[in-house]
Amino acid sequence: DAKTTQPPSMDCAEGRAANLPCNHSTISGNEYVYWYRQIHSQGPQYIIHGLKNNETNEMASLIITEDRKSSTLILPHATLRDTAVYYCIVRPLYNQGGKLIFGQGTELSVKP
Amino acid sequence: KAGVTQTPRYLIKTRGQQVTLSCSPISGHRSVSWYQQTPGQGLQFLFEYFSETQRNKGNFPGRFSGRQFSNSRSEMNVSTLELGDSALYLCASSFDREIGNEQFFGPGTRLTVL
Repeated sequence: DAKTTQPPSMDCAEGRAANLPCNHSTISGNEYVYWYRQIHSQGPQYIIHGLKNNETNEMASLIITEDRKSSTLILPHATLRDTAVYYCIVRPLYNQGGKLIFGQGTELSVKP
Repeated sequence: KAGVTQTPRYLIKTRGQQVTLSCSPISGHRSVSWYQQTPGQGLQFLFEYFSETQRNKGNFPGRFSGRQFSNSRSEMNVSTLELGDSALYLCASSFDREIGNEQFFGPGTRLTVL
């Protein structure tokens, strides 16, 4: 079972920041937080991952709380093309290889 | 460089038949994982192959099997198809099995079982 909880859906106005929350209260010390998204009818796309520090790349920022029990994915200037299902995944450091446990994700709708 | 490719993209079969799906990973990637996506169950991990060996397996019946070739290309097979096997089957590749090597997903094969 997925170890994360996400709201099923969210709306965001185009050009505004989209803040997608994720709860992972049972995360352990050797587990990373990963974010993927899936645009309709496509395969999931990697966005970002982190362990305990905040991370930023060209797509998004990841803010992890100090106790690591929750995180927020931030899309700084959402566009219509960011409309997708966003998945927050907790992934162990060792022995998982390519295995990702997906939850139900958050369906983000970016509106003009 | 070319992304993950999956063939065929669409497939229609009838109950009781078997099917083979193919996945070509990104050049240089050695790990290939397979997932099943259905509206009811979401994205579920099937299995992972690395260096021609199955390294991880999800909770699916033995009708679902796979293999990986020396060039890292992978196939999955479903025997004795059931209506519930209708799904989008996704393949993902990564350079190796270590954390930090993100997985790149293909577009999927849409299987319909009639």
